[in-house]
Amino acid sequence: QVQLVESGGGLVRPGGSLRLSCVASGITFSDYYMSWIRQAPEKGLEWISYISSSGNSIYYADSVKGRFTISRDNAKNTLYLQMNSLRAEDTALYYCASDRYCSGGICLRAFDIWGQGTMVTVSS
Amino acid sequence: QSALTQPASVSGSPGQSITISCTETSSDVGAYNYVSWYQQHPGKVPKLIIYDVSNRPSGVSNRFSGSKSGNTASLTISGLQAEDEADYYCSSYTSNNRVFGGGTKLTVL
Repeated sequence: QVQLVESGGGLVRPGGSLRLSCVASGITFSDYYMSWIRQAPEKGLEWISYISSSGNSIYYADSVKGRFTISRDNAKNTLYLQMNSLRAEDTALYYCASDRYCSGGICLRAFDIWGQGTMVTVSS
Repeated sequence: QSALTQPASVSGSPGQSITISCTETSSDVGAYNYVSWYQQHPGKVPKLIIYDVSNRPSGVSNRFSGSKSGNTASLTISGLQAEDEADYYCSSYTSNNRVFGGGTKLTVL
């Protein structure tokens, strides 16, 4: 069954670091672009980063550029998000999601598969 | 970078139709072609309901439809049901950016 499972969230002090992981199963992970999306408590969705299927193309939202690093290990079917210099405003539920998938010349450019999310709380 | 504007809330009675708009403000107007919509019930994971402006994923009710005119995309829900009460988000996808609208809370009266 198709599944994305995030882990690595927790409570961290301002200025601290965390590394999130997202393990995929039931899909050919190396065929998918992947994104990290977050949702602060009682707020809307915010896209923060994507990585291409090979890892050669990476983009970030301005809000996290220079502090967060996305990466992937296709051999381990795992997506990562290294978060440094964390701020209170980074407190959110962090989702990994499939971002783009192409098959037979047709591409789905949307967040089709979502994990359950991992909570990150930045507080002193 | 682009920004997507949605109404904060809309409401409708069971059986009625409602439309949620999503207006893009960007210098890259031509890139506003990959619009998707997501439904999120309280405490739940967002669910893709429309992609590429007007396509429905398998399993999504045909009561949900999408369209676009100029810089404004729209999600229409026909035959409103109580279970449609949720938050709805639009999203725009370009070669180097993705962005979500602020979300719209749908209340079924």
